[in-house]
Amino acid sequence: SAVISQKPSRDICQRGTSLTIQCQVDSQVTMMFWYRQQPGQSLTLIATANQGSEATYESGFVIDKFPISRPNLTFSTLTVSNMSPEDSSIYLCSVDHGLGAGETQYFGPGTRLLVL
Amino acid sequence: AQSVAQPEDQVNVAEGNPLTVKCTYSVSGNPYLFWYVQYPNRGLQFLLKYITGDNLVKGSYGFEAEFNKSQTSFHLKKPSALVSDSALYFCAVRDKEGYSTLTFGKGTMLLVSP
Repeated sequence: SAVISQKPSRDICQRGTSLTIQCQVDSQVTMMFWYRQQPGQSLTLIATANQGSEATYESGFVIDKFPISRPNLTFSTLTVSNMSPEDSSIYLCSVDHGLGAGETQYFGPGTRLLVL
Repeated sequence: AQSVAQPEDQVNVAEGNPLTVKCTYSVSGNPYLFWYVQYPNRGLQFLLKYITGDNLVKGSYGFEAEFNKSQTSFHLKKPSALVSDSALYFCAVRDKEGYSTLTFGKGTMLLVSP
C-alpha cells in the first residue's frame, strides 16, 4: 500500500487565479495520477504523471490549464490555472507501483476547491 | 473501450440486513475489477479487487464481491449492514491486456438506517 498526503486539503479561490496542489507519497512509486471529481460526479482522470517525462493528458484536459510536475518518485504537483467556477471540484492524487494492470491504485484524501 | 455501470444512484438498507451494490462492466479482454469506498470529506479507500481465481473475493470491513463472467457483473455484498457503512461506493475496471487506466462507475450512495 501507500500513504498519500495532499496539500492544501481545501481552498476557496477567486476566479482568474491559480492554485497548486501538492501530492506526497511515503514510498517511491512509478505511476502517479491526477483525478477530478466534480460535485455529485464520478472520478475523471486528468493526467498520468511519470517521473522524468511529460505528463500524459486525457482528452479534454490540456497542459496550459493543468500543468503538472513530477520532480521525483515521491512527489507531484497539479496546478489549476486561470480558475473559473466550473473548476470547483475535488482533486485527487493517486498512485501505483506500475507492476501491472492488476495492481491496486491508492488515493490521497483529496483537495476540495471552491472557485468564486 | 472499457466501461462500468452502476445502475443505482442510491441503495437504502436497514442496519443488520444484507446489502448489495450492483456493478456491471464492459472490456474488450479479461477484466480486473475493483471496489472503492468514499466517506464524506475523505478520499477513496480500496475495499477489494478481483484479479483471477475464486469468483468470490473478500475484502475490508466484511465486504465481499462476486465476479460473474457470464453476466459481466461484480456486485458488492455484505451479510449485515452497519450504519457506519453509509458512504459512496465506486466500482472500477481495467482491461487485463496491456496497461489501461482505471475506469470508474458513477458511484452508488449507500444509506444504512438504524
